[in-house]
Amino acid sequence: QVQLVESGGGVVQPGRSLRLSCAASGFTLTSYGMHWVRQAPGKGLEWVTVIWYDGNNKYYADSVKGRFTVSRDTSKNTVYLQMSSLRAEDTAVYYCARDDDGNSRYSRFEYWGQGTLVTVSS
Amino acid sequence: QSALTQPASVSGSPGQSITISCTGTSSDVGGYNSVSWYQQHPGKAPKLMIYDVNDRPSGVSNRFSGSKSGNTASLTISGLQAEDEADYYCSSYTSTTTLVFGVGTKLTVL
Repeated sequence: QVQLVESGGGVVQPGRSLRLSCAASGFTLTSYGMHWVRQAPGKGLEWVTVIWYDGNNKYYADSVKGRFTVSRDTSKNTVYLQMSSLRAEDTAVYYCARDDDGNSRYSRFEYWGQGTLVTVSS
Repeated sequence: QSALTQPASVSGSPGQSITISCTGTSSDVGGYNSVSWYQQHPGKAPKLMIYDVNDRPSGVSNRFSGSKSGNTASLTISGLQAEDEADYYCSSYTSTTTLVFGVGTKLTVL
């Protein structure tokens, strides 16, 4: 069955870096786009980034562009979110989600991980 | 990209119907039939309830339905049940190949 497991969250100081992982099982990353979505404590959902099924197309929210980088390792079937120059406002639960929309229009996130909490604080 | 506009809260009694609106622009909601709705219970990951404006994933009750007119999409829940009480978020594909979520609506079942 499809499973997504995030890891790598924790407490980090402002300006530092952190890398999150999303280990996928039950399917191969080469067939699906993968997204990162975050949710600040008590706040709504915010889309962060996507890496398409081909691994070449990547798009970012303006709020993280230039600071966050999405990548994947198909041999490990794992997606990564490298976060740098972290700010207090990046504090959130970070979810990875599989995009089941065959047209790459991001409309069908049927599978989500459990989330990993990132806290940016001195 | 600004978040899509949703009412902060809606409420209804068991058995009633409610509708949650989601307003965007011609660059997102109005421009694509790629609107989705997610249900989120406290401390849980979001759950997909509607995709492509009005399609339901397997296993989602037919009490949930979606529609769109112009730049506004809507989620209707009929026959309200206690377990429907949750936060609901819309989302839309955008002209810049990104995704935007709504601000979220808290549904209270009275």
